Amino acid sequence: EIVMTQSPVTLSVSPGEKATLSCRASQSVSSNLAWYQQKPGQAPRLLIYGASIRATGVPATFSGSGSGTEFTLTISSLQSEDFAVYYCQQYNNWPPYTFGQGTKLQIK
Amino acid sequence: QLEESGGGLVKPGGSLRLSCVVSGLTFTDAWVTWVRQAPGKGLEWVGLIKSQGAGGTTDYAAPVNGRFALSRDDSIDTVYLQMNSLKSEDTAVYYCAHVSSMLHPCFGTWGQGTRVTVSP
Repeated sequence: EIVMTQSPVTLSVSPGEKATLSCRASQSVSSNLAWYQQKPGQAPRLLIYGASIRATGVPATFSGSGSGTEFTLTISSLQSEDFAVYYCQQYNNWPPYTFGQGTKLQIK
Repeated sequence: QLEESGGGLVKPGGSLRLSCVVSGLTFTDAWVTWVRQAPGKGLEWVGLIKSQGAGGTTDYAAPVNGRFALSRDDSIDTVYLQMNSLKSEDTAVYYCAHVSSMLHPCFGTWGQGTRVTVSP
């Protein structure tokens, strides 16, 4: 099973600033990596797949990068609606699909 | 769009069947997966059922393998998650989701979730 590790667990950033979230895989997942956003009381929402492809309707302020074992989600110029929990997920080697433990992005 | 139902309170050792009704896409081609989230915790993949065209086969996470079973009724665009021998650690919100594509089999569209509580 591929273990996904996200860092940091909590990230405090001021509105208008940039946030950088990291995700590491225990073995290579190529570019088969997705990012999801989850707000309190809501279902997760797909943001990025293929490590860097924005899903339909996702603003250009969200960008993904990386391949192999190291990945980054960058959110430029944070808006109030961007404060949420973010999860990475590998789909290179499944079953099982595996998620990171999440990064909570909170207002500084 | 996906909509789950069937959650509720059940005693340890009991059973529950969740439903996921899918609309707005060609259900017969759809692969559907279930993900759960325990209170205050992260996302955990539960299982997946492929389309009949892909064999209709199922895969499960280790913690539920042998206790949970996925099935589908293409005549009513519905996937079922039968949960047996429930344990307290199965307490969670259960989401169904549509697998986006075969090239990128991540989870593109999610339901709103249904809550399952396993408690005496």
